Amino acid sequence: QLQLQESGPGLVKPSETLSLSCTVSRGSISSSSYYWAWFRQPPGKGLEWIGSIHYSGSTYFNPSLKSRVTIAVDTSKTHFSLNLTSVTASDTAVYYCARLSGALDDDGIWIGAGSKPWGQGTLVTVSS
Amino acid sequence: DNVMTQSPLSLPVTPGEPASISCRSTQSLLHSNGFNYLEWYLVKPGQSPQLLIYLGSIRASGVPDRFIGYGSGTDFSLKISRVEADDVGVYYCMRALQTITFGQGTRLEIK
Repeated sequence: QLQLQESGPGLVKPSETLSLSCTVSRGSISSSSYYWAWFRQPPGKGLEWIGSIHYSGSTYFNPSLKSRVTIAVDTSKTHFSLNLTSVTASDTAVYYCARLSGALDDDGIWIGAGSKPWGQGTLVTVSS
Repeated sequence: DNVMTQSPLSLPVTPGEPASISCRSTQSLLHSNGFNYLEWYLVKPGQSPQLLIYLGSIRASGVPDRFIGYGSGTDFSLKISRVEADDVGVYYCMRALQTITFGQGTRLEIK
């Protein structure tokens, strides 16, 4: 069954760029039925959606993070990435990637039908 | 901005007893297509989130029928008919319409 695995540096300095990759195995990113997303969970806090991407390259972001976020699918279609610029201590979190079922409706609004599976998550600490 | 509010935030339950979590959205999650875009997730200790319910009331594959999701519009609930020790963790509701937004989480613990 499909598996997702996050990877990247566990420590990032303030003001620098956080870069993570999510490798998709036992399945393909190239399906029109799914989007691929990044979420995060700061220590002791709740879950937050960061943004989503379709294999075609269409992206969709949390408005609160949009100005700092880039999500891309690599040309081999085996992984997708997250870049978060100008990080601060508040960006310290466990970052998860996940597959989203759903689509954009006729008005371009996301309508979702479940996020599954999720990666195991990777802790990124922002500190000098 | 849409806000998702869960209650209670802490839920101690005796095994075998039922449990219920409420989730309220400040905006309707009922789409013109007739579906409610509300999902429920469980984060067990040390694990990643797992999908329980989508489209308001549909159980994800492999989820026991003890878990029941219901509601429409702005008011939703997750009911566990008979709590088991393995149900411990934090339950989140999630808006799956337009901007994905989570509730604060409800921590279920065994008495």
